[in-house]
Formats: sequence, C-alpha cells, structure tokens
Amino acid sequence: AQSVTQPDIHITVSEGASLELRCNYSYGATPYLFWYVQSPGQGLQLLLKYFSGDTLVQGIKGFEAEFKRSQSSFNLRKPSVHWSDAAEYFCAVGASGGADGLTFGKGTHLIIQP
Amino acid sequence: DARVTQTPRHKVTEMGQEVTMRCQPILGHNTVFWYRQTMMQGLELLAYFRNRAPLDDSGMPKDRFSAEMPDATLATLKIQPSEPRDSAVYFCASGPGHRSTDTQYFGPGTRLTVL
Repeated sequence: AQSVTQPDIHITVSEGASLELRCNYSYGATPYLFWYVQSPGQGLQLLLKYFSGDTLVQGIKGFEAEFKRSQSSFNLRKPSVHWSDAAEYFCAVGASGGADGLTFGKGTHLIIQP
Repeated sequence: DARVTQTPRHKVTEMGQEVTMRCQPILGHNTVFWYRQTMMQGLELLAYFRNRAPLDDSGMPKDRFSAEMPDATLATLKIQPSEPRDSAVYFCASGPGHRSTDTQYFGPGTRLTVL
C-alpha cells in the first residue's frame, strides 16, 4: 500500500527566507507525486506534480520540488516566501496519477513571521 | 474560471439525522472524487466515480454512507443516520478523464458538524 509522510506538522519561516517542506513516500513502483496547498476555509489547489522525466519540477507561485528516488522524497522548496504563502501544504501520491484516488500526507502548516 | 461547487458550505445537524452533500463538477469532467478531512486522519479518499459509475468506494463506511451521481452535473454524498464521528470537512474533486497526468480540482468543501 502506498503512504506519504510529512514529518513536520508546523514550520515557521521569516518572510523573505527560503523554505523547504519535506515529503517522504512509500510506493513500490515509480510514483505519481503531487503538492497541494490549502488556504484557510478553502479547497486544495495544485502547486505542482511529478510523473516522469526531469526530477526538478516547477510549479505555480514560485514553488519547485525535487524527486529523489534514492531517498523516496519529494520535497517542496521556495527561495523566498511571502506572507501570502501561509497555508497548509499537502503532499500526495497516486498509483495512477490523477486518474484515481490520491493518498495524502497529514500536511504541514506553514507560518510566516514578519 | 471553471470551479467545482459544493453545497452546503456548512451544515450542523443532530445525531441520527440524514445529511446530503452535493457537488457540481467542472463541466466536461467525467471523474468525481469524494474525500474527507479530519484532524486525526487527515485527508482520506471515500469514493470516486468515472462516467457516473462508481469505481471505488472502499474508503466509505457502507452501513451509513452512500454516494451517487444522478447525472453528469451532480454528485451526492449521503449519511444516514449521522453520528458525531462523521464531523469533518467533505471535499469533492473532479478530473477531466482517466489519464495519470490529469489534475484533480477540489471544491471548497462542506464542513459538517454532528451534535
């Protein structure tokens, strides 16, 4: 069975500082990996996704993620965070990508300090 | 800007009552997912449909939950009878097809509180 672990429940970052959110997955084959963001009271919005090819994936809002098979990781990064980035971030894995149900991590709550 | 819509946005009910949540997928999308979000369990897949046919409902408690798609523009999730442990945010998502590269687009959710 596939699973996703986001080790950090909360992360606090100063505005303008760099950000890295960790995600580890467990899946037997090459996974389809996603990062979603959820603002308070809102649904989930896709930031980026990885299916194959280049292991560094660019997404919206200046985010990127790197797939590392050897570490079973798909960490999300941003070079300089803005106060509007404060939200809940979810990593997800799908055996069949977006065509079937996704397995989500528990999420990381990002707090931005002024 | 096409969006998934869900009604109601908030629902407070008493234990034992029937609850119906509705979802309108993005026009043209043929795959609809139901997820539930709780503090303890996080986001869990309950069920999903493709071309209105259920593909997987293994995540759904069978005795009290039911999901249907009466037509291509409406998906429903019913709980009867409701229990306090059903309190959660229920998300509907839709996708354009059956490809692995498809993106799932989420609605704003229905926040359910069962007293």
